[in-house]
Amino acid sequence: NAGVMQNPRHLVRRRGQEARLRCSPMKGHSHVYWYRQLPEEGLKFMVYLQKENIIDESGMPKERFSAEFPKEGPSILRIQQVVRGDSAAYFCASSLLIDRTEAFFGQGTRLTVV
Amino acid sequence: AQTVTQSQPEMSVQEAETVTLSCTYDTSESDYYLFWYKQPPSRQMILVIRQEAYKQQNATENRFSVNFQKAAKSFSLKISDSQLGDAAMYFCAYRSASSGGSNYKLTFGKGTLLTVNP
Repeated sequence: NAGVMQNPRHLVRRRGQEARLRCSPMKGHSHVYWYRQLPEEGLKFMVYLQKENIIDESGMPKERFSAEFPKEGPSILRIQQVVRGDSAAYFCASSLLIDRTEAFFGQGTRLTVV
Repeated sequence: AQTVTQSQPEMSVQEAETVTLSCTYDTSESDYYLFWYKQPPSRQMILVIRQEAYKQQNATENRFSVNFQKAAKSFSLKISDSQLGDAAMYFCAYRSASSGGSNYKLTFGKGTLLTVNP
């Protein structure tokens, strides 16, 4: 059973471009979570999605950031018009259920904005 | 809101020795989970150990054990017989177990960078 797959591992974008980060959850997992890790910081929750639904986006900046988890295909975290402050590692996790089960993390995407 | 504090930005240990990483947290909830994650240079977040707050017995996983003090809101990680492969950033994390709340959301500390000296 493959783990959580994120791609790309590294992404370089110029200021003002769009960044699209992909996450394929573990097989059978319908709950996906995105976290952001700024330099020298722990991971911070951004958004929780189930298939086709955003359940909690309280940690996601209101502007320029969006997330989706379509019925078919991976979850996508989209950052429009990137700025230098968006440079970070973005992690995706997935779980089978939300209660009393573990979330498994992918290897993250390191976004660098130049 | 819950907070997790790791007061040791860096720690070092000699190979084969024992080291303890500290973590304190703040919560008004009685039912929750605590975790230690390891993040090696590959950046993969690896679950090391998990503790359920309602369990009094401290969790152990091979060379890794915790000292869970619920009243003091303290959750330290002890690594015995340290190996070079243990070198990594270690994060303490909290998750609520209350149904109907944000029981999916992990709150992380800032991490402790562990160096293992040969």
